Amino acid sequence: GAGVSQSPSNKVTEKGKDVELRCDPISGHTALYWYRQSLGQGLEFLIYFQGNSAPDKSGLPSDRFSAERTGGSVSTLTIQRTQQEDSAVYLCASSYAGILYEQYFGPGTRLTVT
Amino acid sequence: KQEVTQIPAALSVPEGENLVLNCSFTDSAIYNLQWFRQDPGKGLTSLLLIQSSQREQTSGRLNASLDKSSGRSTLYIAASQPGDSATYLCAALTQGGSEKLVFGKGTKLTVNP
Repeated sequence: GAGVSQSPSNKVTEKGKDVELRCDPISGHTALYWYRQSLGQGLEFLIYFQGNSAPDKSGLPSDRFSAERTGGSVSTLTIQRTQQEDSAVYLCASSYAGILYEQYFGPGTRLTVT
Repeated sequence: KQEVTQIPAALSVPEGENLVLNCSFTDSAIYNLQWFRQDPGKGLTSLLLIQSSQREQTSGRLNASLDKSSGRSTLYIAASQPGDSATYLCAALTQGGSEKLVFGKGTKLTVNP
């Protein structure tokens, strides 16, 4: 079946603009995760959804970052007033029934803030 | 706070060699440990998941072990091939409080033909 998909694959934006990143999880997966991978850094957890609710938002780096999930499926990660330090690859993953299950990753969105 | 370390950061070996990648974690209260592969410009591919009650998992030429008491996991790759060249990441799912995967920075493996 189809894997996790993310769009766009690449996004270049000017500093100060807002961006929206989209994630389509594997059909039937109830849990969805967002991570950030910066150059030279490891993967950094951002937020976790179980269904439409986010029990753990602890990884969001600032209040400029927000995420939502609707219909227990598609999720969008929004970054407002982008800064150059937001440049990174944003990865989405999903798992069958929650945090204890194997996570399947999408190809990522490479965000460049100029 | 869980910290995951992978050594070495990079490894270059000739084709056919058996090799071991190392992963250490500071908090042994984990649910599981996962090994992933990342190819350049791509997302992560899950290789093996070891539950905290398990000692090892095998898939084809890959074998991953887990020693919770010492905070260590190893990924053994047998008879390496050029197609194994990638960055290998380990991640620990930590119990209690904020349960999330904590990743190491990875080992970049190059297998030379």
